[in-house]
Amino acid sequence: RKEVEQDPGPFNVPEGATVAFNCTYSNSASQSFFWYRQDCRKEPKLLMSVYSSGNEDGRFTAQLNRASQYISLLIRDSKLSDSATYLCVVIAISSGSARQLTFGSGTQLTVLP
Amino acid sequence: DAGVTQSPTHLIKTRGQQVTLRCSPKSGHDTVSWYQQALGQGPQFIFQYYEEEERQRGNFPDRFSGHQFPNYSSELNVNALLLGDSALYLCASSIAGTHEAFFGQGTRLTVV
Repeated sequence: RKEVEQDPGPFNVPEGATVAFNCTYSNSASQSFFWYRQDCRKEPKLLMSVYSSGNEDGRFTAQLNRASQYISLLIRDSKLSDSATYLCVVIAISSGSARQLTFGSGTQLTVLP
Repeated sequence: DAGVTQSPTHLIKTRGQQVTLRCSPKSGHDTVSWYQQALGQGPQFIFQYYEEEERQRGNFPDRFSGHQFPNYSSELNVNALLLGDSALYLCASSIAGTHEAFFGQGTRLTVV
């Protein structure tokens, strides 16, 4: 079983649609959670952090459920520029204090005109 | 302020050869991590360097080795290249004890 699992996608949605991505993680010792965005043939970039209380950044809302080891990302009013791969990322701190990012395989989103 | 820079951007090597990839971290960052991203997959952790030492290693064979220099820059070396080593190699820099990592644009390695 992979440490971080995501909806495989791809998701093809019309402009203005609301789309939700889900992610589950297996390491209960995981401490920090993020969503990264990766455009085609580019490097991943931090989209937002994820907290148990939920956090919102404009059209984006992220939520963490520690009991279920589940992370979500909601995008409202989708724009063409939202087309990208969305990567769920989990950090667990090792015995050596290293913070290793563990990535899901990513979910590809295409927003259609 | 330059972000994370990696060189070269693209590389083609033959099976069995050796390759060295380079990374300069973002200014003020002291920790460098390397990731391998195969097509259609998320990045996989190779190892992390801090204070010129390998701090943690992912599930990669000893053919993958690295180094960090006093100026915090880093190299990734891969020996005895296999076709399966073809991937995008990403370097991420961060400040020790913090969570946010910044990625370079990557080196796309093709092994033929």
